[in-house]
Amino acid sequence: GEDVEQSLFLSVREGDSSVINCTYTDSSSTYLYWYKQEPGAGLQLLTYIFSNMDMKQDQRLTVLLNKKDKHLSLRIADTQTGDSAIYFCAEKAFNKFYFGSGTKLNVKP
Amino acid sequence: DGGITQSPKYLFRKEGQNVTLSCEQNLNHDAMYWYRQDPGQGLRLIYYSQIVNDFQKGDIAEGYSVSREKKESFPLTVTSAQKNPTAFYLCASSIDGYGRGSNQPQHFGDGTRLSIL
Repeated sequence: GEDVEQSLFLSVREGDSSVINCTYTDSSSTYLYWYKQEPGAGLQLLTYIFSNMDMKQDQRLTVLLNKKDKHLSLRIADTQTGDSAIYFCAEKAFNKFYFGSGTKLNVKP
Repeated sequence: DGGITQSPKYLFRKEGQNVTLSCEQNLNHDAMYWYRQDPGQGLRLIYYSQIVNDFQKGDIAEGYSVSREKKESFPLTVTSAQKNPTAFYLCASSIDGYGRGSNQPQHFGDGTRLSIL
């Protein structure tokens, strides 16, 4: 199967920017996604990027894709305490989805 | 509102008992999926179905069974053969069927937490 890796934890102060990183292995990936999971809940789609794009911005969220290095990042500007959650990156290849293990973001007031 | 409904939210299983987790979607999606999530870990694929009356094993299918008799329903049975069933179970769906690649992501239900009595 494909291998999607993320760091496990990130801690930031309220108002700072958060950057969550992800690496993937399949160069044939067509789409890459970021999901947010709050405690006891399912995964909520935040944003996605097509593999021929370098960047996508959506309000406080910026996704950067370095296809050569197979590196994906999610930047959250002006991080709020409500952003505390687990963030998963996922790649879609050959109609199957592969998820990272999730990065737990802790936002300190 | 369209979405995915998982029930129950909490479920308890006795030793030697089979239990069934419900997943219903009204999104008219072709594909449905079951994942298992253990504390502090990512998602592991149990089973998936890309069309009615067809399903495939995922990475950890042993001890589980599924059926896909209707497009909107994909129940998961945790059998007594699954010796460590305590986990958070997530159901998802996507619009894609066989050979229909698109940018459409998976949509998730709110999960069922299964525990052993």
